[in-house]
Amino acid sequence: NAGVMQNPRHLVRRRGQEARLRCSPMKGHSHVYWYRQLPEEGLKFMVYLQKENIIDESGMPKERFSAEFPKEGPSILRIQQVVRGDSAAYFCASSLVKWISYEQYFGPGTRLTVT
Amino acid sequence: KNEVEQSPQNLTAQEGEFITINCSYSVGISALHWLQQHPGGGIVSLFMLSSGKKKHGRLIATINIQEKHSSLHITASHPRDSAVYICASGGSNYKLTFGKGTLLTVNP
Repeated sequence: NAGVMQNPRHLVRRRGQEARLRCSPMKGHSHVYWYRQLPEEGLKFMVYLQKENIIDESGMPKERFSAEFPKEGPSILRIQQVVRGDSAAYFCASSLVKWISYEQYFGPGTRLTVT
Repeated sequence: KNEVEQSPQNLTAQEGEFITINCSYSVGISALHWLQQHPGGGIVSLFMLSSGKKKHGRLIATINIQEKHSSLHITASHPRDSAVYICASGGSNYKLTFGKGTLLTVNP
């Protein structure tokens, strides 16, 4: 049973380019969460998606960032016109909702470097 | 707003020592997570607990709901335990609030 998969693991982009980060949840999981870990900072929630729906994007920067989780295929986090401050590790997690709490399984992360 | 505080920020131990990492949170939660992150690596979920105590190998996690406090213990520590340990609290919804992590270094 494969875990959460993310690709690419490392991504280098020049300022102004677009970055696309992919996340394939664990089999059977239909809930995906994206987190960002800035250098020397803790993880921060960005967005929560279910299949074809954005449930909560309160942690997403208002501009340049978008996320989707289509009916088929992985979840995508897209960053347009990247800037140096976007350099960070981006983690996704998935869950199968349980009645008492939400156990989230994390992927290995994508490390984005903007040059 | 839920705040999650971890202590200590950095911890250095000798191989074989008993390790304790503490986590305090400010509002009621439904679950507390302990995560492990190796340098440059991914995140591994160690425990999710909502009451009492859980044990897995040399790792033990406890939580006191009344005091809003959790501890992660490592018995007979080993250099391969060196990592950042992160606690995260989950409320009645899906959002996790993370502590800043504790960097553990275990020397041989």
